[in-house]
Amino acid sequence: GESVGLHLPTLSVQEGDNSIINCAYSNSASDYFIWYKQESGKGPQFIIDIRSNMDKRQGQRVTVLLNKTVKHLSLQIAATQPGDSAVYFCAENGGSARQLTFGSGTQLTVLP
Amino acid sequence: DAGITQSPRHKVTETGTPVTLRCHQTENHRYMYWYRQDPGHGLRLIHYSYGVKDTDKGEVSDGYSVSRSKTEDFLLTLESATSSQTSVYFCAIRESQRGGEQFFGPGTRLTVL
Repeated sequence: GESVGLHLPTLSVQEGDNSIINCAYSNSASDYFIWYKQESGKGPQFIIDIRSNMDKRQGQRVTVLLNKTVKHLSLQIAATQPGDSAVYFCAENGGSARQLTFGSGTQLTVLP
Repeated sequence: DAGITQSPRHKVTETGTPVTLRCHQTENHRYMYWYRQDPGHGLRLIHYSYGVKDTDKGEVSDGYSVSRSKTEDFLLTLESATSSQTSVYFCAIRESQRGGEQFFGPGTRLTVL
């Protein structure tokens, strides 16, 4: 069935380094993707999105890359800070235009 | 922050009792969603609404019902709560059908004893 998954469940990086969080999706019909950040005890918070007619989009300290050929999505965080420690989810708008399908999440830990 | 509130924020109840969770938005968004979040499962869609009185089932709808009698409120009801429904429940809203982020509420932690 359709699924969105993450390559690594946990990621630890040194403060100041760049972080890369990966996501694989299986629905080739997906045309919209979102990255969310979820801090402990809070709801998911939008980070950045990208449509399938793009392969890269940049925000403030974050970049999302989309490779439709291999159905892969990544989130790059530049100069990772302690406040970036959280669980990161990718989501796709695929099979049903009304719904998003979420991956299981990656826990990012920023080390001092 | 998007104008979404959830009530209650925490609830402990006993097996077999009915429970209703409320999601309220002030954004006038058409689409509203209920998810549950459990360790190892991420966010799973329970039900969603695409307009007043228009709802549809999600991935894990068994044991849940919803109602939307006005744009701003989306209610999730557990008719007879079970321990397997212990979870954190998130409401989300979305302005348009294609594209556009979902904004999430703060969540409700439900414990069924």
